[in-house]
Amino acid sequence: SQQGEEDPQALSIQEGENATMNCSYKTSINNLQWYRQNSGRGLVHLILIRSNEREKHSGRLRVTLDTSKKSSSLLITASRAADTASYFCATDYNNNDMRFGAGTRLTVKP
Amino acid sequence: EPEVTQTPSHQVTQMGQEVILRCVPISNHLYFYWYRQILGQKVEFLVSFYNNEISEKSEIFDDQFSVERPDGSNFTLKIRSTKLEDSAMYFCASSPDRWGTEKLFFGSGTQLSVL
Repeated sequence: SQQGEEDPQALSIQEGENATMNCSYKTSINNLQWYRQNSGRGLVHLILIRSNEREKHSGRLRVTLDTSKKSSSLLITASRAADTASYFCATDYNNNDMRFGAGTRLTVKP
Repeated sequence: EPEVTQTPSHQVTQMGQEVILRCVPISNHLYFYWYRQILGQKVEFLVSFYNNEISEKSEIFDDQFSVERPDGSNFTLKIRSTKLEDSAMYFCASSPDRWGTEKLFFGSGTQLSVL
């Protein structure tokens, strides 16, 4: 069954704006990961945040984790047209294998 | 950077036929996975494989599916009798440790079309 659920399903912004995507999950986790998928391609790992961490940065990416609310957010600052992709969160399922949400389709207009 | 490779990139088959999807994980990785994605929809977990056996499988992975690591380098997914609803993009992934401590490396996928 599904573990992570992203929100919104689709997001359209102008280049230079910030994009925020949210992820909610149901069970306790050890880690949460965010992945990116360009159309028709495989998923590429962006960032991993552990359950004892609250915030993590990587370049223009900022991820937060709130285990009390079972939620995470991915912020992309100063977005570019090349950031257009689908973004997925993934969490461990019953402490075993990784399950993905349905993703947020981000469109950044030049 | 090392890559996970999948072949073929596209596979067309008739309903009821058997298909084998092939993957070459990154050489020093120990954990292997198959996922599938129906066009534009969520990425669904199928199965994970470690130490030459299935460690976890989803409700999708029924008796029609099987996985094998026949020669220490390839990792295959077999669908014995394909159905129309098996049409999807199938992704192989590998990691050096179980996913919780390491990221997954994904291949580019095999697009399976069942007619």
